[in-house]
Amino acid sequence: EVQLLESGGGLIQPGGSLRLSCAASGFTFSSFAMSWVRQTPGKGLEWVSGISGSGVSTYYADSVKGRFTISRDNSKNTLFLQMDSLRAEDTAVYYCSRPRAPLASPDGMDVWGQGTTVTVSS
Amino acid sequence: QSALTQPRSVSGSPGQSVTISCTGTSSDVGGYNFVSWYQQRPGKAPKLMVYDVNKRPSGVPDRFSGSKSGNTASLTISGLQAEDEAAYYCCSFAGSYTYVIFGGGTKLTVL
Repeated sequence: EVQLLESGGGLIQPGGSLRLSCAASGFTFSSFAMSWVRQTPGKGLEWVSGISGSGVSTYYADSVKGRFTISRDNSKNTLFLQMDSLRAEDTAVYYCSRPRAPLASPDGMDVWGQGTTVTVSS
Repeated sequence: QSALTQPRSVSGSPGQSVTISCTGTSSDVGGYNFVSWYQQRPGKAPKLMVYDVNKRPSGVPDRFSGSKSGNTASLTISGLQAEDEAAYYCCSFAGSYTYVIFGGGTKLTVL
């Protein structure tokens, strides 16, 4: 079964750091680009960051550029999101997601994790 | 990186058709045939309903159809059913700099 399982969320003070993980199973992880998408409470979806299958190419939303770092360990089938200098507006449920096929456009994500909640508050 | 523009809400009666619009720019929706649509129910992860403007993943009913004209994409749901009540989000590839952008979401109410 194709599955994504996020972990690492929690309560963190403004200015702090947190590292999210996403464990993938049931597919050839290294063949797929991956993304992190977040959803603020009661609001919409926001694409946060993406990474190529090899990990060489990375992409960020302007709202997190310079503060968040996406990476992956293909030997462990795991995706990461290092979040530094956290702000209250980063409070959200963070999902990792996978496009529907290895060479498909990154917007068409057909596999999603259950999400992990990040709360930035003092 | 402004979000794609969607109506906040739409509604329809069972059996009717509704269309949700998604307006972007020539740098995203208008520039690529990579527009997708997601259905999200409360407390659940998004579900891919349409990709590449007008293609459906297996298992998605053919009542759901996508289209695009210029900088505006549309999702049409025909033969509306009570189970279609949910939030719908459009999403577009936006080039190698912006990469991916979502719409603000539309709440569909089945009357």
